[in-house]
Order: sequence, then C-alpha cells, then structure tokens
Amino acid sequence: DAKTTQPPSMDCAEGRAANLPCNHSTISGNEYVYWYRQIHSQGPQYIIHGLKNNETNEMASLIITEDRKSSTLILPHATLRDTAVYYCIVDDMYSGGGADGLTFGKGTHLIIQP
Amino acid sequence: DTEVTQTPKHLVMGMTNKKSLKCEQHMGHRAMYWYKQKAKKPPELMFVYSYEKLSINESVPSRFSPECPNSSLLNLHLHALQPEDSALYLCASSHPGTGDTGELFFGEGSRLTVL
Repeated sequence: DAKTTQPPSMDCAEGRAANLPCNHSTISGNEYVYWYRQIHSQGPQYIIHGLKNNETNEMASLIITEDRKSSTLILPHATLRDTAVYYCIVDDMYSGGGADGLTFGKGTHLIIQP
Repeated sequence: DTEVTQTPKHLVMGMTNKKSLKCEQHMGHRAMYWYKQKAKKPPELMFVYSYEKLSINESVPSRFSPECPNSSLLNLHLHALQPEDSALYLCASSHPGTGDTGELFFGEGSRLTVL
C-alpha cells in the first residue's frame, strides 16, 4: 500500500515557484520524507530529504508540517527542464541496520509551461 | 565520481537468448539495487545487495539472476525472458547503514526489449 498521496499531475508557469504537495498521514517517527524526480527516459534523481525540520538545498526547499503528516516540495524558479515526474517517498531506509531500498509511489507529473 | 554506469543502454533479445545487464559505481557504496520500470509506472524494487550479499529479493522470477562480483559491480543475468519483461532496468547504489543521507544514486537505465 502506498504510504504517500500526490496529485497525478500539475502545471506551473516557467519562472514561477512550483509547489508540489504530498500527504503522508501514517508516517512514523523514524521515517524520513524523500523527494526524487525522473525526467523522461532517465534514472530518478535525488532532490532533497528531511525528518522534521524544513530543508533547503541548491535544487529545492522541503517544508514539512509540524505534525509531519504532509509536506511540500518547492522549486523556487521553475524552468522547462524541471518538467518531470516527482516522487515523494516515506521510508526509514535503514530498517534493521541494512539498506532496503525505497518504494516509489505514482508521483506527480509536473509540466512547466513556457 | 558520482556516477552509476549501466551497460548496455539498449538491448533487444529473443525469448531463448541469454544476456546480461551490467552496473558499475566507484563511489565506495556498499549497497546496490536493481529496479524494473514499465512505461508510465514507477520503478519497482527487484533486488538489493548489501556488502556484496543478496539481502532482498522481491519475489522476482528465476529467469532474472543477480550477481555482485565485487563492491563496484552488479550484474543482472537474463535467460528465457518473456515479452512482458520488456522494461527499463535501473541500477542504483547507496551507503548502507545509519548515519548516512539515504540518497540513492541511479544510473540511466538499460532499456530491454524481449521479442
């Protein structure tokens, strides 16, 4: 069963901020929120991750609500190259001390309009 | 070097052929993964290797046989595949264990067509 819920698609105008929502109401205390994106016919690319606090890097910002039941990925100035499927993933990644991979949901297809 | 290299990029094979997909990384990662992705679907985990040992097999049919000859290489041996096995096969690597970022580094994938 999917741990996250995302809208299947979104549009955003080039140059504007793209805000991608994700619901993860059953998240547990040791689970992180990860965001990846996949540009057509390429491998997924890591964007950002967080546990409780908001995070920012050179690609994006991640805003996690205080109850951790939802989050928003913000691309501050979207370009045409940001058109991709964006995956929000909740996982502890290292359950049992080993690597167990990430489970991808259906994601949001973000289309940046010129 | 922060790359995961997959070869070949494209592969066409018949149902009676034996072929292999190869994945290589030189980031010192000790966890490596195979994912399968059908068109317009998310990637699905197939296998996980941790410290060169198979740690997860997501009930993958035996016609797919993974191999991890050393910490930098991961192979996927293919035999007697079916047309429905046509997909993009993605390799990834990461640091295993707590305290690391948990980021998976993906290759560009090998697109497999089974005739």
